[in-house]
Amino acid sequence: DAGITQSPRHKVTETGTPVTLRCHQTENHRYMYWYRQDPGHGLRLIHYSYGVKDTDKGEVSDGYSVSRSKTEDFLLTLESATSSQTSVYFCAISAGQANLRPLHFGNGTRLTVT
Amino acid sequence: KNEVEQSPQNLTAQEGEFITINCSYSVGISALHWLQQHPGGGIVSLFMLSSGKKKHGRLIATINIQEKHSSLHITASHPRDSAVYICAVRGNQFYFGTGTSLTVIP
Repeated sequence: DAGITQSPRHKVTETGTPVTLRCHQTENHRYMYWYRQDPGHGLRLIHYSYGVKDTDKGEVSDGYSVSRSKTEDFLLTLESATSSQTSVYFCAISAGQANLRPLHFGNGTRLTVT
Repeated sequence: KNEVEQSPQNLTAQEGEFITINCSYSVGISALHWLQQHPGGGIVSLFMLSSGKKKHGRLIATINIQEKHSSLHITASHPRDSAVYICAVRGNQFYFGTGTSLTVIP
């Protein structure tokens, strides 16, 4: 199994508070992704990173920011959490963008914003 | 618009039955992935394929690039196969289906 650890696994927070989710990998993979998973939707890309300090927005990036200061860590921050950000968040990693590079997922973080 | 459509959305089977889950996509792709997610669990990659057919144990995945269609088959299904199966395609980005929830009854 790919070495991906997400923390925390569960988080309950109040509307308006900042929240940071962490994704840590031990694979030295270049690409890291943050997705959210909601009922009735496929996994939706929030942000991704293609290297240290290199990040870009996905389709649902509003209200989220990311940082990647080290290859192994990719942080997702909700500056001011809203109830619409209640979701399960998955981090994924990939060795590259080449055609047959697999995508490995973390175990997810269940975030509830009250 | 959904670039990836899966059918059925929900599926209940008796243990031992042969199961087929279908995936159709509308974008040009370089690879297609089948993923498995157990309740409350993480997401595991089952297959990655760009042509033809692959087999792992009781699982078989096929893809028809011309028809933009893939199928995941489970032979001799078992209750431990109960999970959500997700189809994902690699175009200029990853696109994901909404998943097929499979329940196998003993």
